[in-house]
Amino acid sequence: DIQMTQSPSSLSASVGDRVTITCRASQGISHYLAWFQQKPGKAPKSLIYAASSLQSGVPSKFSGSGSGTDFTLTISSLQPEDFATYYCQQYNSYPLTFGGGTKVEIK
Amino acid sequence: EVQLLDSGGGLVQPGGSLRLSCAASGFIFRNYDMSWVRQAPGKGLEWVSAISGNGVSTYYADSVKGRFTISRENSKNTLFLHMNSLRAEDTAIYYCAKHQGNPTFDYWGQGTLVTVSS
Repeated sequence: DIQMTQSPSSLSASVGDRVTITCRASQGISHYLAWFQQKPGKAPKSLIYAASSLQSGVPSKFSGSGSGTDFTLTISSLQPEDFATYYCQQYNSYPLTFGGGTKVEIK
Repeated sequence: EVQLLDSGGGLVQPGGSLRLSCAASGFIFRNYDMSWVRQAPGKGLEWVSAISGNGVSTYYADSVKGRFTISRENSKNTLFLHMNSLRAEDTAIYYCAKHQGNPTFDYWGQGTLVTVSS
């Protein structure tokens, strides 16, 4: 199985900050990497697929990069509605696996 | 508008069974693979099972293999998860999710809570 490791597990940031979250796969997954945002009590929401493609309707302040084993999610200017938990997911092969999540909190 | 409506959760005793349903609308259901993803209380996301659009191919996480069965009824735009031999560690919110073409997810249901407890 492919293990997905996210870092950090949590971070505190201020409104307007640039935030970067890292996701590492235990083996190469090409560009088969997605990012999701989840707010408390809500279902996850798809942000990015194919490592860097923005889902329809997702603001351009979100961006993704990477290929192979190392990937990043960047939020260019953090806004109050962005405080949430973010998950990466590999879909190179079954079983599909998620990272452990990164909780973005208000400083 | 794509909508996925999860239902069927509840309280069940260890060793018991439950069937979850996901009613889909707003897209051609038979054309898309679907998955179930769960989230234990206070924990992260765990993929559980997937099924191809025609229902022929199925995939399972090791943690549920042999106990859970995924199925679909394309004539009724409905996805199912049949859960047997339930354990306390199966307690979670279960979400159905639509595949995007690749096995990642563009839409999610609202989730249904399964609690396994005596």
